[in-house]
Amino acid sequence: DADVTQTPRNRITKTGKRIMLECSQTKGHDRMYWYRQDPGLGLQLIYYSFDVKDINKGEISDGYSVSRQAQAKFSLSLESAIPNQTALYFCATSVGEGTEAFFGQGTRLTVV
Amino acid sequence: QKEVEQNSGPLSVPEGAIASLNCTYSDRGSQSFFWYRQYSGKSPELIMFIYSNGDKEDGRFTAQLNKASQYVSLLIRDSQPSDSATYLCAVSSNYQLIWGAGTKLIIKP
Repeated sequence: DADVTQTPRNRITKTGKRIMLECSQTKGHDRMYWYRQDPGLGLQLIYYSFDVKDINKGEISDGYSVSRQAQAKFSLSLESAIPNQTALYFCATSVGEGTEAFFGQGTRLTVV
Repeated sequence: QKEVEQNSGPLSVPEGAIASLNCTYSDRGSQSFFWYRQYSGKSPELIMFIYSNGDKEDGRFTAQLNKASQYVSLLIRDSQPSDSATYLCAVSSNYQLIWGAGTKLIIKP
C-alpha cells in the first residue's frame, strides 16, 4: 500500500462545482503539501501545513482551500471549479525543513 | 521570488552514454538539493539528494553541487531506455522546496 494516498485518482467535474481532493498518509510526517502541475511547468505549491493547526498559503492559493483534519489527513477543495484548474494535483509529505518530499500517486482533475 | 531553472529539453542521449542534467538556483541560502525522476502522468520519485559541495555518487547516478556558482547537476552513466523521463530539480528555500520545471530526457536505443 502507498504511504501517501490520494483520492480520487481521476475526476471530471463541471464548471462551478465544488470538489474535494483527499490525501492521507501513513508515514507519520507532520508536514503536508498540495501541489499542482501543468504540462511543461514545475510543481506549484498551493497550500502547505506543518501541523494540524498550522496552514499556510502557497504561491497559487486563489480559488483553493484546505483542511487538515488530522496529522494524517489533508484535503484540498476547489470552491467553484473553473477550466483552468484542469491539472495534475499531488499531495506530498515531509519530515522536516529541507528534507525530501514523498508524493502521492496524483489526481488528474478535468474541469469542463 | 526564489527560482530554480532547468533546460526543458528534450535532451536526447544514445543508450550507454552519459546524460548530463543541469539546474541553477537563485537562493544563496539554500542548503538541500534534490533530483527527482518523473515518468509521464506519474508522481515524482527521489533519485538523489545532496547537501555539501562536491560530488555524491549512487550507482549510475552522480549529483554535483557548486554553491558558489549556484548550480547542481545530475550525471547518469550508462544511460538506459528506462531512464527516459522528466528530471525535476528541487531546492530548499524558506521552509519549502522550490521546483524547476524539469528536463525531459530521451534515451535512444
